[in-house]
Amino acid sequence: DGGITQSPKYLFRKEGQNVTLSCEQNLNHDAMYWYRQDPGQGLRLIYYSQIVNDFQKGDIAEGYSVSREKKESFPLTVTSAQKNPTAFYLCASSIRVNTEAFFGQGTRLTVV
Amino acid sequence: KNEVEQSPQNLTAQEGEFITINCSYSVGISALHWLQQHPGGGIVSLFMLSSGKKKHGRLIATINIQEKHSSLHITASHPRDSAVYICAVGFSTRPGGSQGNLIFGKGTKLSVKP
Repeated sequence: DGGITQSPKYLFRKEGQNVTLSCEQNLNHDAMYWYRQDPGQGLRLIYYSQIVNDFQKGDIAEGYSVSREKKESFPLTVTSAQKNPTAFYLCASSIRVNTEAFFGQGTRLTVV
Repeated sequence: KNEVEQSPQNLTAQEGEFITINCSYSVGISALHWLQQHPGGGIVSLFMLSSGKKKHGRLIATINIQEKHSSLHITASHPRDSAVYICAVGFSTRPGGSQGNLIFGKGTKLSVKP
């Protein structure tokens, strides 16, 4: 089955630790995105990638880093510099930017 | 400044009712998306449209480009339709922000009672 897989679904980390969230897609999509969702707010873009080996900052990139070494994979690292990392993180992909996006099931990160 | 506004924020309906959720946006767009988010958090894309109207089963989405407004309708609503419905727009250019990405509304939480 084609789709986007995020893992894990729930993640707990201690404050000050970096953590990496996985996002894999087998849809052969060029574009991939990471969004953050907080209660009562719309999703906000962290980073996006239009093609392999390229990525751009979104609206709230501070404290996050990404890589796009393979077309299928777009991992997100939440660094210790992110002041409020506890949130729900969604990964998405599309054939290219501004086309229909397909979303993963999300990872709920809790930093204690 | 909210570039995408949804209304209502919360909506409770009885099973069988006709439901309308509205979305307004501020500047020209390349496309508008309607998404459904279930309590577990995963999001499903319902529609992507740039003009006119689309229908899928009991769901209908319309867009009026001149009025910068879109509606999502659910006919014969059912408890399994209970979810958060999110409007998102792709701006062809976005002043002061990233290009080539979606801007999301805050969502409408729909609860359909049996």
